[in-house]
Amino acid sequence: GQSLEQPSEVTAVEGAIVQINCTYQTSGFYGLSWYQQHDGGAPTFLSYNALDGLEETGRFSSFLSRSDSYGYLLLQELQMKDSASYFCAVSSYNQGGKLIFGQGTELSVKP
Amino acid sequence: DADVTQTPRNRITKTGKRIMLECSQTKGHDRMYWYRQDPGLGLRLIYYSFDVKDINKGEISDGYSVSRQAQAKFSLSLESAIPNQTALYFCATSDLPTSGSRSDTQYFGPGTRLTVL
Repeated sequence: GQSLEQPSEVTAVEGAIVQINCTYQTSGFYGLSWYQQHDGGAPTFLSYNALDGLEETGRFSSFLSRSDSYGYLLLQELQMKDSASYFCAVSSYNQGGKLIFGQGTELSVKP
Repeated sequence: DADVTQTPRNRITKTGKRIMLECSQTKGHDRMYWYRQDPGLGLRLIYYSFDVKDINKGEISDGYSVSRQAQAKFSLSLESAIPNQTALYFCATSDLPTSGSRSDTQYFGPGTRLTVL
């Protein structure tokens, strides 16, 4: 089956850098996605990695190592508005386009 | 206007009642999904549909049913609601995956908060 692990909570201060890790187990791995959710609102897509390496989008970057079944989301220059839950999700060939989500990491940004 | 809408946004009902949650989308996507979110448990897939004639069970389909009335509409029903179905329910859509980057990106509706007493 599939499983994902990510920390349940992370706390950081404004202006700092924080890394949220995600390890996964799945067969037929295709890609790793990250979603952000504020206070029970709609999750929104942040990034997607299908190949090893770092993808950068503004203050957010996402990394994937397929050989280690591991990825992370890096948030730089943290702002108070970054306080949210962050979910990693895997897609795999044998899931036919479905996503399997991790349980989420709640990020609290302190002043 | 929102691309993915859900109605109602909030609903309180009693045990044993039949409830329907509705989802509509204007994104033109073929694929639609229903998720349930409970605190600390992430998003769990209830049902999904890859086109109008395709319905598939997700990981937690017991106690739920769905109807795909059109490409743009996907409804979730609780035939006889029970208190442990109290949760936040999300509808999502996605386009056909393409090889290469950004396949499987899903677009979520605002959610329906359901309370079963």
